[in-house]
Amino acid sequence: DIQMTQSPSSLSASVGDRVTIPCRASQNISSYLNWYQQKSGKAPKALIHAASNLQSGVPSRFSGSGSGTDFTLTISSLRPEDFATYYCQQSYSYPRTFGQGTKVEIK
Amino acid sequence: EVQLVESGGGLAQPGGSLRLSCAASGFTFSTYSMNWVRQAPGKGLEWVSYISSSSSTIHYADSVKGRFAISRDIAKNSLYLLMDSLRDEDTAVYYCARGFRGAFDSWGQGTLVTVSS
Repeated sequence: DIQMTQSPSSLSASVGDRVTIPCRASQNISSYLNWYQQKSGKAPKALIHAASNLQSGVPSRFSGSGSGTDFTLTISSLRPEDFATYYCQQSYSYPRTFGQGTKVEIK
Repeated sequence: EVQLVESGGGLAQPGGSLRLSCAASGFTFSTYSMNWVRQAPGKGLEWVSYISSSSSTIHYADSVKGRFAISRDIAKNSLYLLMDSLRDEDTAVYYCARGFRGAFDSWGQGTLVTVSS
């Protein structure tokens, strides 16, 4: 199975900050990497597919980059509604696997 | 608007069974693959099962293989998960999620399954 690692598990940031969230795969997954946002008590929401493609309706302050084993989700200017937990997920092979999540908290 | 509405969750005893349903609307259900993803209380996301648009291809996580069965009914625009031999560790919110290029692009609100004696 492909292991997805997200570190740190949480980070503190202020409104307006540029935030980068890393994700690492245990083997080469090309660009088969997706990102989700989950707010407390709510279902996850898809943000980015295939490493860098923004889902329809997602604000342009979100972007994704990377290929192979190292990937990054970037929020260019953090807004209050962006405080949430972010998960990466590989779609290279089955079983599909998620990272442990990175919680973005208010500084 | 894409809508996915799960139902069927509740309390089950260890070794018991439950059947989850997911009613889909707002898109052509027959052309999309579907998945079940779960989240134990306070934990992260765990993919559970996948079914292709035609039901010809099915995958399961090792943790549920042989105990859970995924299926779909095109005529009813519905996805199902039959869960047998339930264990304490199956306690979670279960989400149905539409598949799109390997990602899960739309999610239901989830249904809580609690396995406890």
